Amino acid sequence: DIQMTQSPSSLSAFVGDRVTITCRASQSISNYLNWYQQTPGKAPKLLISAASDLQSGVPSRFSGSGSGTDFTLTISSLQPEDFATYYCQQSYSTPPYTFGQGTKLEIK
Amino acid sequence: EVQLVESGGGLVQPGGSLRLSCAASGFTFSNYEMIWLRQAPGKGLEWVSYISGSGSAIYYADSVKGRFTISRDNAKSSLYLRMNSLRAEDTAVYYCAREWEDSGFESFDYWGQGTLITVSS
Repeated sequence: DIQMTQSPSSLSAFVGDRVTITCRASQSISNYLNWYQQTPGKAPKLLISAASDLQSGVPSRFSGSGSGTDFTLTISSLQPEDFATYYCQQSYSTPPYTFGQGTKLEIK
Repeated sequence: EVQLVESGGGLVQPGGSLRLSCAASGFTFSNYEMIWLRQAPGKGLEWVSYISGSGSAIYYADSVKGRFTISRDNAKSSLYLRMNSLRAEDTAVYYCAREWEDSGFESFDYWGQGTLITVSS
């Protein structure tokens, strides 16, 4: 099974900051990588698919990049509604569909 | 508007059984593969099971294989998860989700609100 590892596990930042979350796969997954955002008590929301394709309605301050084993999710200017937990997920070799452990983004 | 609504959660004793349902609307249900996922309290996301649009292909996570059964009724636009021999470690919010495929890239584009299963005596 492909293991996904995110870093950091938690992150504190100010509104307006630029933040980057990293996701690493245990083997090459090309660009078969999705990012989800989850706010407390809510279901996850798909932000980015295929490593860099922004979903409709997702603000352009979100971007994704990477290929192979290393990927990043960048938020260019944090907004209050962006404080959430972010998960990466590989779709290269399924099943199983594996997720990273999550990165909790908190307000500083 | 795409909607997925789970039901059937609750408190169950260890060793007990439960059936979850997921009612879908706003899309042609039979055209889509569907997924169950779960999230233990304070933990991350875990894929549980997959079923193809026709129901002919089914997969399970090792953690639930032999105990859980996924099924669907395309005439009713409904997805199900039968859970037997429940354990404390099955305690979680269970989500149904739609699998979206675009040019070979799969993702979970719509999720239900989740239903909580608590396994405890």
